Amino acid sequence: AQSVTQPDIHITVSEGASLELRCNYSYGATPYLFWYVQSPGQGLQLLLKYFSGDTLVQGIKGFEAEFKRSQSSFNLRKPSVHWSDAAEYFCAVGAMDSNYQLIWGAGTKLIIKP
Amino acid sequence: NAGVTQTPKFRILKIGQSMTLQCTQDMNHNYMYWYRQDPGMGLKLIYYSVGAGITDKGEVPNGYNVSRSTTEDFPLRLELAAPSQTSVYFCASSYTDRLDGYTFGSGTRLTVV
Repeated sequence: AQSVTQPDIHITVSEGASLELRCNYSYGATPYLFWYVQSPGQGLQLLLKYFSGDTLVQGIKGFEAEFKRSQSSFNLRKPSVHWSDAAEYFCAVGAMDSNYQLIWGAGTKLIIKP
Repeated sequence: NAGVTQTPKFRILKIGQSMTLQCTQDMNHNYMYWYRQDPGMGLKLIYYSVGAGITDKGEVPNGYNVSRSTTEDFPLRLELAAPSQTSVYFCASSYTDRLDGYTFGSGTRLTVV
């Protein structure tokens, strides 16, 4: 069965520092991969997605993610975080042969230190 | 552009009561979804719809019902509310298939006591 693991429940980063949020998936074929962000009290917003092609994808708000097939990973990165990036981040995986249903990770809460 | 609108934002129900969570989108999206979000868990799909008149069960449909009479509206019905249904509920929509980016509503926080 497909699964998505976000190993870090919380991550604390200083403002201006770089960020990497981890996402590992379990799936036999090439999955469709997504990162969403949820600000407090809000719905989720799509940051970026990967379907095929270049394994480094750019998203909104200065985020990028890299698909590494050998490691079954799709980690989210940002070179320099801002206080407004404090939120919860969710990785999700979908595939055609799962009837397109998305499987979601449990989320990583990002805390920004001033 | 309103996007996806959910009402109410908060609700407290007593065990055994029923209610309908409303969801409306104004983007002419064909696909709509209901998710629940529990603390420390990823989103779980309750029901989804690929167009007006067509609905299907997701991962956790028990205790819920949906209908899709129009493209815009996708209400979620809770019958005989139970404490296990205490959660935050999100409605989402997408234009094409389920691998398109989703637009989410801001959620309904439901407490069953």
